[in-house]
Amino acid sequence: DGGITQSPKYLFRKEGQNVTLSCEQNLNHDAMYWYRQDPGQGLRLIYYSQIVNDFQKGDIAEGYSVSREKKESFPLTVTSAQKNPTAFYLCASTPGHQDRSTDTQYFGPGTRLTVL
Amino acid sequence: KNQVEQSPQSLIILEGKNCTLQCNYTVSPFSNLRWYKQDTGRGPVSLTIMTFSENTKSNGRYTATLDADTKQSSLHITASQLSDSASYICVVSGGSQGNLIFGKGTKLSVKP
Repeated sequence: DGGITQSPKYLFRKEGQNVTLSCEQNLNHDAMYWYRQDPGQGLRLIYYSQIVNDFQKGDIAEGYSVSREKKESFPLTVTSAQKNPTAFYLCASTPGHQDRSTDTQYFGPGTRLTVL
Repeated sequence: KNQVEQSPQSLIILEGKNCTLQCNYTVSPFSNLRWYKQDTGRGPVSLTIMTFSENTKSNGRYTATLDADTKQSSLHITASQLSDSASYICVVSGGSQGNLIFGKGTKLSVKP
């Protein structure tokens, strides 16, 4: 898991509630990413940030929001607008922001979100 | 459409045996291909990364091959151990925006 921490490991939420997932890295990496993993599916990109105070939508950004106020932190908020939020959420980071296709991604341990 | 297909979906082998996992892709243009190991309930960990010019790369008991002409890769695990039980994910980088395209993974179970 390298120097990336995610908390909490398990999270339960009632329908209609917003919830924020934490991701912190001490690797001094510029770029950070949020993915969603569902059973039998490949990882899907939600949001990514290549530098502080800047972020871009990934393939499935609807119902999610992020912020990147500090280099080491990239929290993800799952809003009530996300229709099917139950999933395993993975945060990742890469050293550079020049070419995200060549940098190896380092993943955190993940947060399993369950909507009750 | 850029896609990564992995086979088999799941595999059960006995401890000490070898196995080979397959990855076929249709990503163009191609930048690189990676194999990740993901233990249950954990984040993926990189095993190998291969560029267009590389045919084979090893990491201990793991050996990845790449045939850029047929757009196929394989991951060979030698002398399997119980700790090899995990999902193995093939990730191809490329396309017009250098995106990462993830396969669905192969779930390997090593039995004693």
